[in-house]
Amino acid sequence: NAGVTQTPKFRVLKTGQSMTLLCAQDMNHEYMYWYRQDPGMGLRLIHYSVGEGTTAKGEVPDGYNVSRLKKQNFLLGLESAAPSQTSVYFCASSSLTSGSIYEQYFGPGTRLTVT
Amino acid sequence: AQRVTQPEKLLSVFKGAPVELKCNYSYSGSPELFWYVQYSRQRLQLLLRHISRESIKGFTADLNKGETSFHLKKPFAQEEDSAMYYCALSSPQGAQKLVFGQGTRLTINP
Repeated sequence: NAGVTQTPKFRVLKTGQSMTLLCAQDMNHEYMYWYRQDPGMGLRLIHYSVGEGTTAKGEVPDGYNVSRLKKQNFLLGLESAAPSQTSVYFCASSSLTSGSIYEQYFGPGTRLTVT
Repeated sequence: AQRVTQPEKLLSVFKGAPVELKCNYSYSGSPELFWYVQYSRQRLQLLLRHISRESIKGFTADLNKGETSFHLKKPFAQEEDSAMYYCALSSPQGAQKLVFGQGTRLTINP
């Protein structure tokens, strides 16, 4: 099992450009999440999904959109990148099953720089 | 509002010394509490959760509801414990969303 994978690993964007970050998991997890990690601020939830076709806003959703068309994939989009979106982005997934309740499995991260 | 506070950004101790990473939380109700760890060049991973009352890699954490704290402790630090540690909480119901603290970078000196 690959677990949670993220594409790409690194990206540099210019202000105003758009891009999509892809997260994939092969654990058949129901829940998926996108976080951003900034120095001194820990991880903050951007958007999350409790199942295929459903998404919801997290703590810092502005400037981002998401889609979950397939259970295994969770896409994070930046329509018009801003320097404030320079960050490391982490995807995570978790399961409803009681044996692993509340444990989130994280991807390796995507380092995004917006100039 | 849900909040997790880790007052120490950096913590440095010598090998063999005791370690305590502090975590305080704000939550109306009874949250689920966790410690996640990120070793160098590795993914963020769950270290332990209060519901399990377990010891992982020699670490323990006790939930103190009166002081709203969930401090992480280890009696004898090892060099491989050097990492970034995050305390996090989640509501017992709903989508298992995590609220993270700011993180503490722990360095174990030889």
